[in-house]
Amino acid sequence: AQTVTQSQPEMSVQEAETVTLSCTYDTSENNYYLFWYKQPPSRQMILVIRQEAYKQQNATENRFSVNFQKAAKSFSLKISDSQLGDTAMYFCAFTTQGGSEKLVFGKGTKLTVNP
Amino acid sequence: GAVVSQHPSWVICKSGTSVKIECRSLDFQATTMFWYRQFPKQSLMLMATSNEGSKATYEQGVEKDKFLINHASLTLSTLTVTSAHPEDSSFYICSAPYALLGYGYTFGSGTRLTVV
Repeated sequence: AQTVTQSQPEMSVQEAETVTLSCTYDTSENNYYLFWYKQPPSRQMILVIRQEAYKQQNATENRFSVNFQKAAKSFSLKISDSQLGDTAMYFCAFTTQGGSEKLVFGKGTKLTVNP
Repeated sequence: GAVVSQHPSWVICKSGTSVKIECRSLDFQATTMFWYRQFPKQSLMLMATSNEGSKATYEQGVEKDKFLINHASLTLSTLTVTSAHPEDSSFYICSAPYALLGYGYTFGSGTRLTVV
C-alpha cells in the first residue's frame, strides 16, 4: 500500500526567511505524481506544486520549489522569502498515474509565518 | 480552469434529518469525484469514489447507507448524509481529477456540517 509521511506536525519561520517541509512516501510503482497542497484557514485546498516521477528536474513555482529524490522516495518543499499569507496547513500527496486514481495524503504540517 | 463548486458551504441540521451536499464541475467534465471528510487539525480522509453513471466505491469502514453518493451526470456529484447524528458533524470536501497543462486534482471549497 502506498503511504505518505510528513514527520513535522508543526513548523514556524520568520517572514522573508526560507523553510523546508519534508515528505517521504512508499510505493512500488515507477510512474506516479506527487503534489503539495496548501490549506489556509479558509480550508480551501490549493495546489502549490506538482512533480511527475518520470521528470528528473525538480519542479519550481515562483517562491516554491521541491527537492525530489526518487531513489530515496523523498519530496520536500522549500518556501523562499516566506510571507504571512503562507501560513497554512501543507499536505504532501501521492497518486499513481491514471485519471481516476485517488490521492494519498500525508498528515500535514502546520506552518506559521511570524512577522 | 478546472473549478469545482461545492454547496452549501455550511449547514446546520437537526439530528435525524438528511442533508445533501452538491459538487458541480463548472468548466470540465468530472467523470470521477472523490469525497473526503476532514476532522479538525487532521488530514483528509477518503470516504468514497464516485464515477458517473455507476455505483460509488466506499472506503472500508464508511457506511454506504448513511453516506449516499450519486454521480448522475458529468458535472454533478452529490453526497447525502442520511439520518444525521452529532457524530456526523465534520468538514466534507469533494475533489475531481483533471488534465489541464498536466495532471492534477481540483477541490471544492468544502462544507461544514453541524448536527444538533
